[in-house]
Amino acid sequence: DAGVTQSPTHLIKTRGQQVTLRCSPKSGHDTVSWYQQALGQGPQFIFQYYEEEERQRGNFPDRFSGHQFPNYSSELNVNALLLGDSALYLCASSLVRAANYGYTFGSGTRLTVV
Amino acid sequence: GDSVTQMEGPVTLSEEAFLTINCTYTATGYPSLFWYVQYPGEGLQLLLKATKADDKGSNKGFEATYRKETTSFHLEKGSVQVSDSAVYFCALSGRGAQKLVFGQGTRLTINP
Repeated sequence: DAGVTQSPTHLIKTRGQQVTLRCSPKSGHDTVSWYQQALGQGPQFIFQYYEEEERQRGNFPDRFSGHQFPNYSSELNVNALLLGDSALYLCASSLVRAANYGYTFGSGTRLTVV
Repeated sequence: GDSVTQMEGPVTLSEEAFLTINCTYTATGYPSLFWYVQYPGEGLQLLLKATKADDKGSNKGFEATYRKETTSFHLEKGSVQVSDSAVYFCALSGRGAQKLVFGQGTRLTINP
């Protein structure tokens, strides 16, 4: 049973560019959340998608946007990249009615902005 | 808002030593509590969880008890191994599939 799959694994972008990260949730899961983990820090919540709608949002600017598709997969888009956007981006999936039992994380996409 | 505070790292122990990593939280209501582990170059793996007061989560020799009176969820292991070297994150989640709020992480290194 495949867990959460993220692509690409590594990415280098130039300041001002735009980037799209992708996530396929664990089979049977219907909710996808995105987190940003700066080096040496704990993950910070970006937003969560359920039924193709943004359900919750953390304290991130509008440059960060997302989408969930009918097959529950998700994309994270970041526009006008800043050097400070360099981080590990983690996708986590869950079943909305059982989220209190834990989320399954992917291995992440390492984004470097130069 | 909700928050999680973990003991400062890094923590370095010898193999077979006893481990405690402290975690306290601030939250409204009755959150679920989690410990996640992150090995080098990887994402987070759920280590254990507790969903209500006095619950004890356990896995791979690790344990943590949900203490509502002290708002704590300390991680313990009786005898650590070199393979336990990783970064450990305490986290909470409110009811209704709420977001995870993480502590800053504690880097653990076990020497043979």
